Amino acid sequence: GQQLNQSPQSMFIQEGEDVSMNCTSSSIFNTWLWYKQDPGEGPVLLIALYKAGELTSNGRLTAQFGITRKDSFLNISASIPSDVGIYFCAGQELSGNTPLVFGKGTRLSVIA
Amino acid sequence: NAGVTQTPKFQVLKTGQSMTLQCAQDMNHEYMSWYRQDPGMGLRLIHYSVGAGITDQGEVPNGYNVSRSTTEDFPLRLLSAAPSQTSVYFCASSYDRAPGTEAFFGQGTRLTVV
Repeated sequence: GQQLNQSPQSMFIQEGEDVSMNCTSSSIFNTWLWYKQDPGEGPVLLIALYKAGELTSNGRLTAQFGITRKDSFLNISASIPSDVGIYFCAGQELSGNTPLVFGKGTRLSVIA
Repeated sequence: NAGVTQTPKFQVLKTGQSMTLQCAQDMNHEYMSWYRQDPGMGLRLIHYSVGAGITDQGEVPNGYNVSRSTTEDFPLRLLSAAPSQTSVYFCASSYDRAPGTEAFFGQGTRLTVV
């Protein structure tokens, strides 16, 4: 089935550093979503993007919907220990009648 | 407001046993789905439903059945458990399947098949 390429798979960063991760697709998407999953919990929505070129912030998080509609990135500024977790991108194809497709996740570790 | 509730949180089954994972939501959402999460594989869609009485297969439906008799509930049945079904299962719901509709997830059911 359709899958998103999410990178990197894992990251180890120092507290205070900025983080960037991205997702690419071979299909055109009309929605990009970014989720965070804490250990033992379900994913929680961080940011939703609905228009090509859209740049949206949520506190220290910023995400962009790529102009080509085939990619998106998530940036986290000034990381803190509670940023630890798995970040997933998810997208919905242009037809709008297909379920969300998820990337394989980026596991973030923050070293204090 | 409970959101999406999954039960049980943990389950151990013997190979060949059957069981039902329960999922309920109290947000009056039309769209519900089941995912499994395996290490390095992300979230893979098993089955989904766009409303009561309507279900469809996702990416990895084999070995699982679903039904949607009410808007609130979307149980996932394992017919004859196999070790390959050891995974964490997540149920999600959203208002509908329209583009950009946010999906709310339950806390997951960790299933081990021995």
